[in-house]
Amino acid sequence: EPEVTQTPSHQVTQMGQEVILRCVPISNHLYFYWYRQILGQKVEFLVSFYNNEISEKSEIFDDQFSVERPDGSNFTLKIRSTKLEDSAMYFCASNLREQETQYFGPGTRLLVL
Amino acid sequence: AQSVTQPDIHITVSEGASLELRCNYSYGATPYLFWYVQSPGQGLQLLLKYFSGDTLVQGIKGFEAEFKRSQSSFNLRKPSVHWSDAAEYFCAVGAVTNAGKSTFGDGTTLTVKP
Repeated sequence: EPEVTQTPSHQVTQMGQEVILRCVPISNHLYFYWYRQILGQKVEFLVSFYNNEISEKSEIFDDQFSVERPDGSNFTLKIRSTKLEDSAMYFCASNLREQETQYFGPGTRLLVL
Repeated sequence: AQSVTQPDIHITVSEGASLELRCNYSYGATPYLFWYVQSPGQGLQLLLKYFSGDTLVQGIKGFEAEFKRSQSSFNLRKPSVHWSDAAEYFCAVGAVTNAGKSTFGDGTTLTVKP
């Protein structure tokens, strides 16, 4: 069964450094999403992406964040200058159509020191 | 704005007992509703979803949920819990125009006693 993959599974970085989290959505999917989950808290929507542009973003998704689909398979989340509070599990998700089930990747655990 | 409330932070049940996890939502139109399960350190696995139609939906692992519009609820049930069901459970509501933009509840941690 096709699945969403994410790399790396864990990343440790220093405050102020840039990080890029990578996702490979299911190959024929058209809608892509990033969510984050701070340890012990709920999953929060960050951004949705369709047709090579952001379709919606939350207030969390400020100027420090960006997303990109650099080729036909990858979907990346970049945090330009990480802060301690960016430490979280980041989930990528995708679906074929908006009104369909989205499939989540296993997540990348980011730790900012 | 859409929102989800899971009133129970932590529930403990004995193995073999029945389970009901509560979920209440707030949304201005017909919602898309989901239940996910998350084992420690793992990703989110979709248990079941409601988009339209029959208000009682069946999911994987023997779970079911019932959409009650009058009560704005989407409670998750299982008639007989197994030890492997111990995990965190999240209810989520999706917008009609963008089902991917889901709003999650705070989660309910399920502990199963032997």
